[in-house]
Amino acid sequence: GQSLEQPSEVTAVEGAIVQINCTYQTSGFYGLSWYQQHDGGAPTFLSYNALDGLEETGRFSSFLSRSDSYGYLLLQELQMKDSASYFCAAPEGATNKLIFGTGTLLAVQP
Amino acid sequence: NAGVTQTPKFQVLKTGQSMTLQCAQDMNHNSMYWYRQDPGMGLRLIYYSASEGTTDKGEVPNGYNVSRLNKREFSLRLESAAPSQTSVYFCASSERLGGAGNTIYFGEGSWLTVV
Repeated sequence: GQSLEQPSEVTAVEGAIVQINCTYQTSGFYGLSWYQQHDGGAPTFLSYNALDGLEETGRFSSFLSRSDSYGYLLLQELQMKDSASYFCAAPEGATNKLIFGTGTLLAVQP
Repeated sequence: NAGVTQTPKFQVLKTGQSMTLQCAQDMNHNSMYWYRQDPGMGLRLIYYSASEGTTDKGEVPNGYNVSRLNKREFSLRLESAAPSQTSVYFCASSERLGGAGNTIYFGEGSWLTVV
């Protein structure tokens, strides 16, 4: 089966940098995506990595290492509004339907 | 810009009752999905429809049925609701199946409580 593991919670202070890790086991690999979900809201797409390396989108960056089956989301210049849950997600093998990780709750403190 | 619209937003059911969650998207997407999310947990795929006319089981299909009514609409039916189906349900759509560089757009969620 396929699984994506993330830390359950991360705490950081406003203005800091935080890294949220994701390790995965998949049958085949078709890229790693990241989604943000505020409490009570819908998940929204943040970033996607198909190849090794860093993808930057403003304050958010995502990194992938396929040889290590590992990726992370990097959030810089943290703001209070970044307090949310963050999910990594990957397509499941041949069916290619998206499976989500367990999610990381980020708490940004003043 | 409606995106993905799902109804109802909130529903309370008694054990054994049936109900249908409705979902529609206006982005001309081929693929649609139903996920459930339990407190403090990730999203688990219930059913999906790769394209109009097809549906397939996801990770947790037991107790549910779906209908891809047309390209826009994808409904989820609980035939005999059980307390274990208390959850938040999200409908989603994407241009094509899967996530290989393919963004999935979610509805706002439907909070279902089975008592």
